[in-house]
Amino acid sequence: GQQLNQSPQSMFIQEGEDVSMNCTSSSIFNTWLWYKQDPGEGPVLLIALYKAGELTSNGRLTAQFGTTRKDSFLNISASIPSDVGIYFCAGQPVEGGATNKLIFGTGTLLAVQP
Amino acid sequence: DAGITQSPRHKVTETGTPVTLRCHQTENHRYMYWYRQDPGHGLRLIHYSYGVKDTDKGEVSDGYSVSRSKTEDFLLTLESATSSQTSVYFCAMASGNTIYFGEGSWLTVV
Repeated sequence: GQQLNQSPQSMFIQEGEDVSMNCTSSSIFNTWLWYKQDPGEGPVLLIALYKAGELTSNGRLTAQFGTTRKDSFLNISASIPSDVGIYFCAGQPVEGGATNKLIFGTGTLLAVQP
Repeated sequence: DAGITQSPRHKVTETGTPVTLRCHQTENHRYMYWYRQDPGHGLRLIHYSYGVKDTDKGEVSDGYSVSRSKTEDFLLTLESATSSQTSVYFCAMASGNTIYFGEGSWLTVV
C-alpha cells in the first residue's frame, strides 16, 4: 500500500532551538495534516493544509503543503519542553475520493532538553 | 477531540474471546474510522464507515468486524481475539477533510 516517508525518526534538541520535519509521498495528495501525540493520548490535530503551496501557522508551528503535492513540512520555532511528543504527518491521497481515508507517516519523536 | 469518546479505555482479554470496542461521537459526522497503532507501523486503518449501516474495509481488516446502527456509534468487534491484536485502537471522525481522534483503547490479548 501507499506509504509516507517521515523524517527524521527522532530529534533531541535544546530548549529554544527550531525544529524541522517533513513527509514525502510517492503519490499526489489532496490534503496534508499534522498531528501531535502525547503519551497515553490520541493524536491531536495541529495544522491542516488543503492546497498546493499553502503555508499555515498555528502559534510557533508552521506547515507547508509542497508545490508538487507529494510532500509537506512542519517547523516549530523556539521549542519548549511541552513540545515533547510524537509528531505525525497524514495525507489524503487523490484516489481516496470522498472517503477521507488518510495515510500516516511513522512519526517523529521530539525530545526537548530544558 | 471532546466530541468523540471511546470505551473501554483499557482491557485485558484472553485469546479466543470476543471483544467489542465502542466509539461514540456527538457531532453528527458521517464518516467514522477505526485505526490501530503499533510500533514501527504507525496508524493503520482497520475499517471505516460512511453512514449508518455503510462500512468498508481498511488496510488491516482481517479478524475485525464493525457495525454502525446509529450515526453516533461505531463498534469494532474482534470475534476471536489473538495475541497479534494486542494494540492501541483509535476511533476517529471526519469533519470535512479533517480527521479528529478519540483518546484510544489499550487492548491486551493474553
